[in-house]
Amino acid sequence: EPEVTQTPSHQVTQMGQEVILRCVPISNHLYFYWYRQILGQKVEFLVSFYNNEISEKSEIFDDQFSVERPDGSNFTLKIRSTKLEDSAMYFCASSDLGNQPQHFGDGTRLSIL
Amino acid sequence: AQSVTQLDSQVPVFEEAPVELRCNYSSSVSVYLFWYVQYPNQGLQLLLKYLSGSTLVKGINGFEAEFNKSQTSFHLRKPSVHISDTAEYFCAVTGTSYGKLTFGQGTILTVHP
Repeated sequence: EPEVTQTPSHQVTQMGQEVILRCVPISNHLYFYWYRQILGQKVEFLVSFYNNEISEKSEIFDDQFSVERPDGSNFTLKIRSTKLEDSAMYFCASSDLGNQPQHFGDGTRLSIL
Repeated sequence: AQSVTQLDSQVPVFEEAPVELRCNYSSSVSVYLFWYVQYPNQGLQLLLKYLSGSTLVKGINGFEAEFNKSQTSFHLRKPSVHISDTAEYFCAVTGTSYGKLTFGQGTILTVHP
């Protein structure tokens, strides 16, 4: 069964550094999402992306965050200047229609030191 | 906007006992509802979904859920649990014209021998 893959599985970064989290969505999917889960808290929506542009973003998704689909297969989340509070598990998801089930990757655990 | 409340943060049960994990939602629009499961150190796996039609939906691993519009609930049930069902379960909702998922806080199901 097709899967969403995320790399790396664990990323450790110094505060203030830039980090890029990578995702390969399922190949025929058109909608892409990023979520995060701070330890012990809910899974929170960050951003959705369709037709090469952001379709929706949450209050969390401020100017420090950006997303890109640099080619036909990858979908990336960039955090420009990381803060301690960015430490979380980041999940990528994709779906073939906006309201069909979203398929999630295994996540990238981001640790900011 | 939608919100989801999972009424139990932890549910301990014995193997082969029935289990119900409760989920209530609020929304000003029609909704699609989902249950996801997260095994330790893994991503979110779709258990089942309600999009339309029959209010009783069956998912993987013997789980089922019933959509109750009047009570705004979508409780997850299994008649006989196994040790391997030990995991965290998330209820999620999305509106018909939105793609993002809003998650509940999660319920940790622990199955004891």
